Amino acid sequence: AQSVTQLGSHVSVSEGALVLLRCNYSSSVPPYLFWYVQYPNQGLQLLLKYTSAATLVKGINGFEAEFKKSETSFHLTKPSAHMSDAAEYFCAVSIGGTSYGKLTFGQGTILTVHP
Amino acid sequence: GAGVSQSPSNKVTEKGKDVELRCDPISGHTALYWYRQRLGQGLEFLIYFQGNSAPDKSGLPSDRFSAERTGESVSTLTIQRTQQEDSAVYLCASSTKGLFGTQYFGPGTRLLVL
Repeated sequence: AQSVTQLGSHVSVSEGALVLLRCNYSSSVPPYLFWYVQYPNQGLQLLLKYTSAATLVKGINGFEAEFKKSETSFHLTKPSAHMSDAAEYFCAVSIGGTSYGKLTFGQGTILTVHP
Repeated sequence: GAGVSQSPSNKVTEKGKDVELRCDPISGHTALYWYRQRLGQGLEFLIYFQGNSAPDKSGLPSDRFSAERTGESVSTLTIQRTQQEDSAVYLCASSTKGLFGTQYFGPGTRLLVL
């Protein structure tokens, strides 16, 4: 079975600072990895996904994530935080094949951005 | 509408009662998923529908949980004889390409079982 661990349920940064949200996964087969974002009172939306192509994946709103097999990690980064980035972020894993869409999510990380 | 909608947004019920949650997917989306998020935990996959194929029920936690979908339209998730541990946010998602499509999520139904 696959699982995801997000380190830090809350992360706080200043506007303009680096954003780093950590995600480690466990999977018995090569994983597919996703980051979703949930803004207040909205549904989850896909930020980016890794599907075994390039290990550095770029997503919307200036976010990117790097797949590191040796570290079983898929951390999400953004060079400069904006106030509008304040939201809850979820990392998810899928084992692919006929189970590709059956995502297993982490507990989420709430990002707060201070002026 | 433009997105996935779910109703009700909040539901409070008494232990032992049955509840029905509704999901309206994006028009034209053939795949539909239900997830559950209990307090302090990540989302758990419950069930997956793809067109008229038999649903994948592998994530349903017990036989008190069931879901239906007619064609490629509305889905209902039913929980019979609710228990306090069923309290959670229930999320629905739909996608255009079955298992490989990007999932679009609804805002969820927050269920509280007293």
